[in-house]
Amino acid sequence: NAGVTQTPKFRVLKTGQSMTLLCAQDMNHEYMYWYRQDPGMGLRLIHYSVGEGTTAKGEVPDGYNVSRLKKQNFLLGLESAAPSQTSVYFCASSGVIDRGGETQYFGPGTRLLVL
Amino acid sequence: GQNIDQPTEMTATEGAIVQINCTYQTSGFNGLFWYQQHAGEAPTFLSYNVLDGLEEKGRFSSFLSRSKGYSYLLLKELQMKDSASYLCAASDSNYQLIWGAGTKLIIKP
Repeated sequence: NAGVTQTPKFRVLKTGQSMTLLCAQDMNHEYMYWYRQDPGMGLRLIHYSVGEGTTAKGEVPDGYNVSRLKKQNFLLGLESAAPSQTSVYFCASSGVIDRGGETQYFGPGTRLLVL
Repeated sequence: GQNIDQPTEMTATEGAIVQINCTYQTSGFNGLFWYQQHAGEAPTFLSYNVLDGLEEKGRFSSFLSRSKGYSYLLLKELQMKDSASYLCAASDSNYQLIWGAGTKLIIKP
């Protein structure tokens, strides 16, 4: 049981390049999330998904797109990378949350540097 | 607006007790989470409170006062491995987590 995995672990991009970050979970969770974490700031939600085939915008969605074609996978795309997108990106998953208290399980993170 | 406040950094001595405070303001409230994050690693779940009072789990305890919008995480018998950032997060009316910036806890021998 691997939990939540992310690829790649580290990437350097030039401004304007594109890339896709892959998140996979083997816990059969309905909910999946993409966050970014910057120094001195809390985790900020980029996009999330409440089930296969659905996505929704979070707090900071501009410059990112997502897809959830399969329940176990959640992809985050950067179409034209900018230096402001230099960050650590975390994927997380959780079960149904309408009962409250549902723990989010995090992947190991992807460190992205945009030059 | 929605906001979570917690101290940026705290220092404590090995074997001692430390209390990390968190205040929150959210649109609706469905509970308060504490996560631990070691440097360069992912956050991991520590505790969840939705009712007022103290929840104890080994060396770690978490307290919630809904009327005051206040929580704290209490760590006893501190060990060097407790050196980490501690993240406070409140669940809002849509069950989305609003995260604080984290408190970096430094443990000295």
